Amino acid sequence: EDQVTQSPEALRLQEGESSSLNCSYTVSGLRGLFWYRQDPGKGPEFLFTLYSAGEEKEKERLKATLTKKESFLHITAPKPEDSATYLCAVQAGRGAQKLVFGQGTRLTINP
Amino acid sequence: NAGVMQNPRHLVRRRGQEARLRCSPMKGHSHVYWYRQLPEEGLKFMVYLQKENIIDESGMPKERFSAEFPKEGPSILRIQQVVRGDSAAYFCASSPGTGRGGYTFGSGTRLTVV
Repeated sequence: EDQVTQSPEALRLQEGESSSLNCSYTVSGLRGLFWYRQDPGKGPEFLFTLYSAGEEKEKERLKATLTKKESFLHITAPKPEDSATYLCAVQAGRGAQKLVFGQGTRLTINP
Repeated sequence: NAGVMQNPRHLVRRRGQEARLRCSPMKGHSHVYWYRQLPEEGLKFMVYLQKENIIDESGMPKERFSAEFPKEGPSILRIQQVVRGDSAAYFCASSPGTGRGGYTFGSGTRLTVV
């Protein structure tokens, strides 16, 4: 069974304090790994898709990387508006369309 | 270009009533997915539909839950005889088709069963 584990569950940082969120996965035939951001009371907002080990993508203060077993979401010099829950999901298996999500990391950036 | 539209945003039902949740996909998207987010839990896949077809319903509870995506109109997630444990946020997502790419999610319907 495909599994996705995110750590830590919650993370508090000071504004400007860089850190990384982890997403470990166990799947058969990874087709894509996705990062989403979710604000309270809203739906997940797409951030990145990574398809193969070694791939990296960047957007503003966020950078996502992928290895054969895990993905990292690096946050550089975060601002309070980066506070949200960050979700990792995998799409695996031939022809599969569904996403398997991790529990998320709740990130709080204090000013 | 409107995103994925879900309605209602909030829905309160008494135990035993029926709940109908609607989802209109993004323009040009023909694939719809429903996910459920229980309190303090992650998003769980329920069902994947294309127009007039259920493609994968491996995450749907065996009883009381059904979904459809008719040729015309929105996709509907229907929960019959609701129980307190059905209280959750239900999210719909859409995509243009198979292949690579992420989905676009709606803002969700928050169902409360009293």
